[in-house]
Amino acid sequence: AQSVTQLDSQVPVFEEAPVELRCNYSSSVSVYLFWYVQYPNQGLQLLLKYLSGSTLVKGINGFEAEFNKSQTSFHLRKPSVHISDTAEYFCAVTPLGGYSTLTFGKGTMLLVSP
Amino acid sequence: DGGITQSPKYLFRKEGQNVTLSCEQNLNHDAMYWYRQDPGQGLRLIYYSQIVNDFQKGDIAEGYSVSREKKESFPLTVTSAQKNPTAFYLCASSMRRGQGQETQYFGPGTRLLVL
Repeated sequence: AQSVTQLDSQVPVFEEAPVELRCNYSSSVSVYLFWYVQYPNQGLQLLLKYLSGSTLVKGINGFEAEFNKSQTSFHLRKPSVHISDTAEYFCAVTPLGGYSTLTFGKGTMLLVSP
Repeated sequence: DGGITQSPKYLFRKEGQNVTLSCEQNLNHDAMYWYRQDPGQGLRLIYYSQIVNDFQKGDIAEGYSVSREKKESFPLTVTSAQKNPTAFYLCASSMRRGQGQETQYFGPGTRLLVL
């Protein structure tokens, strides 16, 4: 079984500041990793994913994440945030073998203020 | 435009009533999923289906039922046995394993409220 821990439930930040949203996972098998973003009362939108290859993954809206296998982490970063980045962010994993069921973290609310 | 549609956007349920949430996709995806989202809880898997006429229980299937008669459609019924149905329900779909099945795409959601 897999588990995902998002270490911060809320991250307040000022506009144009850098931000890092932390994600750690636990799994006995290799996994694929994902970050999704959810705006209020909407579905989830895929930000980026790590399947294989380079451990630094670039996504939409200027976000990137780095897979660290030894630390079982997949932290999300953006060098300069905008007001429009205010949303909830979910980290998720799925095992390489078997059916593709996603295990989600509980989410991190990013609050960007002017 | 390809995508996933969910209807209705808001749904109200009376005590003892069964209600059905609709999910349709035109992405030609084989697999479909239902999640429940509660504040501060993340998303929890209710049911999923890899092919037509087959589906499996997720982590919180009690009080819910599904059918998969067509590839495009995966309706979820919230039965009267579900004592706490108020939540945001999300449907997702993905391709078959080995063809990018690991990536799930989500619909806009249905918010279910109890009267």
